[in-house]
Amino acid sequence: EDKVVQSPLSLVVHEGDTVTLNCSYEVTNFRSLLWYKQEKKAPTFLFMLTSSGIEKKSGRLSSILDKKELFSILNITATQTGDSAVYLCANNVQGAQKLVFGQGTRLTINP
Amino acid sequence: DAGVIQSPRHEVTEMGQEVTLRCKPISGHNSLFWYRQTMMRGLELLIYFNNNVPIDDSGMPEDRFSAKMPNASFSTLKIQPSEPRDSAVYFCASSLGGITEAFFGQGTRLTVV
Repeated sequence: EDKVVQSPLSLVVHEGDTVTLNCSYEVTNFRSLLWYKQEKKAPTFLFMLTSSGIEKKSGRLSSILDKKELFSILNITATQTGDSAVYLCANNVQGAQKLVFGQGTRLTINP
Repeated sequence: DAGVIQSPRHEVTEMGQEVTLRCKPISGHNSLFWYRQTMMRGLELLIYFNNNVPIDDSGMPEDRFSAKMPNASFSTLKIQPSEPRDSAVYFCASSLGGITEAFFGQGTRLTVV
């Protein structure tokens, strides 16, 4: 069964800290790994990763994939209160055209 | 493009009533997904369509749930009869053949009392 596990489930830090969110997966036919940010409503897309070792970056957020060890990390540097959200990791399974999501990490940034 | 449009945004209904949730995917997208999100279980895939055809409905909880996609621009998720445990946020998402990222609608918050 395809499975995506995120850790930690919850994280509280102070503004300005750097955080690392983890995502490990077990899927039969890997196509890509995606990160989403969910505030109060719909998940919004952050990154799609398909190749190992290539970092994707957008401002203070970055992510990398390790296809050998079956995990990905999402880094956020110089965190701001607006980064508070649930971060979701998902696998796009080849041949199935569907996203399998992890439970999410609830990140809270305190001023 | 207005993105994925879902209606209604909120629905409160009594146990036993029929509930119909609606979704309009992004124009040109050929994959459509229905997800359910609860605190306990997170985001669960209920069913997805490719080119209007249901491909995988293994996530549909039971026979009370049904989904249709009569054309490329409209889909419905129906619950009949509804139960309190169906209370959740239901998201619709669409993508281009699963190759691109999925774009989510704003969700329908369903409360069954």
